[in-house]
Amino acid sequence: ETGVTQTPRHLVMGMTNKKSLKCEQHLGHNAMYWYKQSAKKPLELMFVYSLEERVENNSVPSRFSPECPNSSHLFLHLHTLQPEDSALYLCASSQGRAGGRDEQFFGPGTRLTVL
Amino acid sequence: QKEVEQNSGPLSVPEGAIASLNCTYSDRGSQSFFWYRQYSGKSPELIMFIYSNGDKEDGRFTAQLNKASQYVSLLIRDSQPSDSATYLCAVNRAGGSYIPTFGRGTSLIVHP
Repeated sequence: ETGVTQTPRHLVMGMTNKKSLKCEQHLGHNAMYWYKQSAKKPLELMFVYSLEERVENNSVPSRFSPECPNSSHLFLHLHTLQPEDSALYLCASSQGRAGGRDEQFFGPGTRLTVL
Repeated sequence: QKEVEQNSGPLSVPEGAIASLNCTYSDRGSQSFFWYRQYSGKSPELIMFIYSNGDKEDGRFTAQLNKASQYVSLLIRDSQPSDSATYLCAVNRAGGSYIPTFGRGTSLIVHP
């Protein structure tokens, strides 16, 4: 595997289900990100981890719970979601280079549908 | 509130023409600028980055940065139908932050 991988690629869940999204990066990067992308809306940054510590949490509802067990893996645990949470969830990684010269590499995304 | 603004489009150009995509940003402390391309149903992929004022060319793509006017643009020469996608502008602030702010994206349609 190369780059950034995400599983599952598609997920349909009911509002009472609990599921997890998984992201893995094979680039030796230090920072990992979760984004939400809804139709006709810009990318919304949800969480950022740097060296396994959470450095950003953009007022995301508690029904989304991130976990970063090591610098290569990132999870997004989902529970009691709402239909408006249906979106494309993108994982990205970067070197975490100070000074902002730090391009992001995106995974293919998980298309989530909440019924 | 740091903002990155892009015209959502769609911008429609004929095949072979130059497509010009623009992005303005509000944070004067911004130091790094990125253009990502996103095909429908796919994830964004980096196509250009620019850090200094002026032009940077890579094949058919040219990024232009003007920090005084707080805008960055992307020119695509000899546009092809395969260039049809949404182009996202992203901006990073200096001072240790590597967390980008993305614009809404501009939809580009290149018609034969």
